[in-house]
Amino acid sequence: GEDVEQSLFLSVREGDSSVINCTYTDSSSTYLYWYKQEPGAGLQLLTYIFSNMDMKQDQRLTVLLNKKDKHLSLRIADTQTGDSAIYFCAESAGAGGGADGLTFGKGTHLIIQP
Amino acid sequence: DGGITQSPKYLFRKEGQNVTLSCEQNLNHDAMYWYRQDPGQGLRLIYYSQIVNDFQKGDIAEGYSVSREKKESFPLTVTSAQKNPTAFYLCASRSRGTGGRQYFGPGTRLTVT
Repeated sequence: GEDVEQSLFLSVREGDSSVINCTYTDSSSTYLYWYKQEPGAGLQLLTYIFSNMDMKQDQRLTVLLNKKDKHLSLRIADTQTGDSAIYFCAESAGAGGGADGLTFGKGTHLIIQP
Repeated sequence: DGGITQSPKYLFRKEGQNVTLSCEQNLNHDAMYWYRQDPGQGLRLIYYSQIVNDFQKGDIAEGYSVSREKKESFPLTVTSAQKNPTAFYLCASRSRGTGGRQYFGPGTRLTVT
């Protein structure tokens, strides 16, 4: 079945870059997503990448996709205290492009050290 | 002001009672979804609906029911048959077509004692 794996915690110093990694198993996934969740809140869509791309950049965020290894990463440049949150990797279930829902990892807690 | 609203933010119920969680969107999205989040866990799909008057079970549908009578609304009922109903419930909606992104509401935290 489908599975998405992420490490549970990442600690970085303010001003450094954060790199959050994710592996997935469904090779038919057409889109992969990164969501951010602050305490007690819903999920905010940060960015997404189509499976035929290998990189996407959006301001401080860079997404890298290695489709051969089924590995996705999110790099946050110049990490700030406001970036402290849980980051979820998600893949679109099957070949439907996400119409049938998303499969989520358990989330990575990003902890910012002053 | 477009978006997805969920009410209430916090909900408390006694064991054995059914409870209905509200989800409304004014984004004109066709598809709507319900997910459940437990501490330290990712989101798990309960039910989804791609069009009015039609819905499908997700991975953990047992003990839940839904309806989709209007495009804007997708209420979730947590029945007394759900063995562990205490959780954070998130509603999402998605525009039509491949690659449509899912957007989430603020969530409802349900506590059953």
